[in-house]
Amino acid sequence: DTGVSQDPRHKITKRGQNVTFRCDPISEHNRLYWYRQTLGQGPEFLTYFQNEAQLEKSRLLSDRFSAERPKGSFSTLEIQRTEQGDSAMYLCASTSRGGGTEAFFGQGTRLTVV
Amino acid sequence: AQSVTQLDSQVPVFEEAPVELRCNYSSSVSVYLFWYVQYPNQGLQLLLKYLSGSTLVKGINGFEAEFNKSQTSFHLRKPSVHISDTAEYFCAVLSGGYQKVTFGIGTKLQVIP
Repeated sequence: DTGVSQDPRHKITKRGQNVTFRCDPISEHNRLYWYRQTLGQGPEFLTYFQNEAQLEKSRLLSDRFSAERPKGSFSTLEIQRTEQGDSAMYLCASTSRGGGTEAFFGQGTRLTVV
Repeated sequence: AQSVTQLDSQVPVFEEAPVELRCNYSSSVSVYLFWYVQYPNQGLQLLLKYLSGSTLVKGINGFEAEFNKSQTSFHLRKPSVHISDTAEYFCAVLSGGYQKVTFGIGTKLQVIP
């Protein structure tokens, strides 16, 4: 399967713990996006990378959140000191270029903070 | 700024009946428009997209949408729904000068047997 892959699919963690999610985009795609989706809402943009450069971050991305894409391939999203409000589905998407090209989404990582 | 409004949070419809899911967008520049479908605990799958050209766009699974610039709308339609169409549908917009897609809050389509 050459689609976007996310790991893990589900994560349950205790409040205050750190968690890290991984996204492997489609190999030839140079843009990678992270979105967050809470119940009853559409996906909300968090951040995006063009190759290894993080070009934009949403104000939703507090200081506890950090994303990296060190070699321009896979990306990680880390949440430090998790809070119950961080419970959501975290979606990764990749595209080959900006502007009108379909974004391919992974199946998401569902985070539950207890 | 770019934004999307999906007025209907839930749409129940009987199997084999037609359905329309409404989407209105806001943008001051030219736009690209998308409809995505999401099945439970899954990511998003592209149904169709409008980039330019013909305002009537056909997508997968028998869906189509019409871009109406004067009404800033991009409503999704299907002439006859199937049980398997039960899912959540998201309208999305990408405006010129922006680098990321903005999504609506979604419409849950429930097909009743």
